[in-house]
Amino acid sequence: NAGVTQTPKFRILKIGQSMTLQCAQDMNHNYMYWYRQDPGMGLKLIYYSVGAGITDKGEVPNGYNVSRSTTEDFPLRLELAAPSQTSVYFCASSYSFGGIQETQYFGPGTRLLVL
Amino acid sequence: AQKITQTQPGMFVQEKEAVTLDCTYDTSDQSYGLFWYKQPSSGEMIFLIYQGSYDEQNATEGRYSLNFQKARKSANLVISASQLGDSAMYFCAMREVLMDSSYKLIFGSGTRLLVRP
Repeated sequence: NAGVTQTPKFRILKIGQSMTLQCAQDMNHNYMYWYRQDPGMGLKLIYYSVGAGITDKGEVPNGYNVSRSTTEDFPLRLELAAPSQTSVYFCASSYSFGGIQETQYFGPGTRLLVL
Repeated sequence: AQKITQTQPGMFVQEKEAVTLDCTYDTSDQSYGLFWYKQPSSGEMIFLIYQGSYDEQNATEGRYSLNFQKARKSANLVISASQLGDSAMYFCAMREVLMDSSYKLIFGSGTRLLVRP
């Protein structure tokens, strides 16, 4: 049981390049989230998904896109990378049923540097 | 809007002693949940403990306990018998329910704890 996995662990991008951050979970969680953590700060929600085919924006969605074609995978796409997107990106998942919302479990993070 | 405040940017504690990390919150919701996460230098976010607003007992998980004072809107984390491996960043977070009944976490700015041998 791997929990939440993220790839890559670290990436350097040039301004204007694009990339996809991968996230997968094997806990059969229906909810998945993407957060970013800027230096010295807490995490902020970028996008989330309540199930396959359903996604919605969080606090800071600009410059990102997501898709959720399967329960297990929730990739985050960066188009036209900008220095302001330099951050650590965390994927999380949780299980929710009948109004009961369980704890969010986080992946190890992807450190992104945009130069 | 919901808000989490952690007023201690950094703290020291002697190994084997107890330490309290402060967290205050602001919400108008009657039902809410509070979490503590640990972030070691390796960067991952590790769930430690959860307290629901209607829970009558303070949450405990091993050496971690949550001192929940609802009237004061505080949810302090107490770590007993500190170990060197407890050195990390600690984040307090609150669950904010989204329109479709999912939820996001609102994080505080964190407290860096250093355990001295």
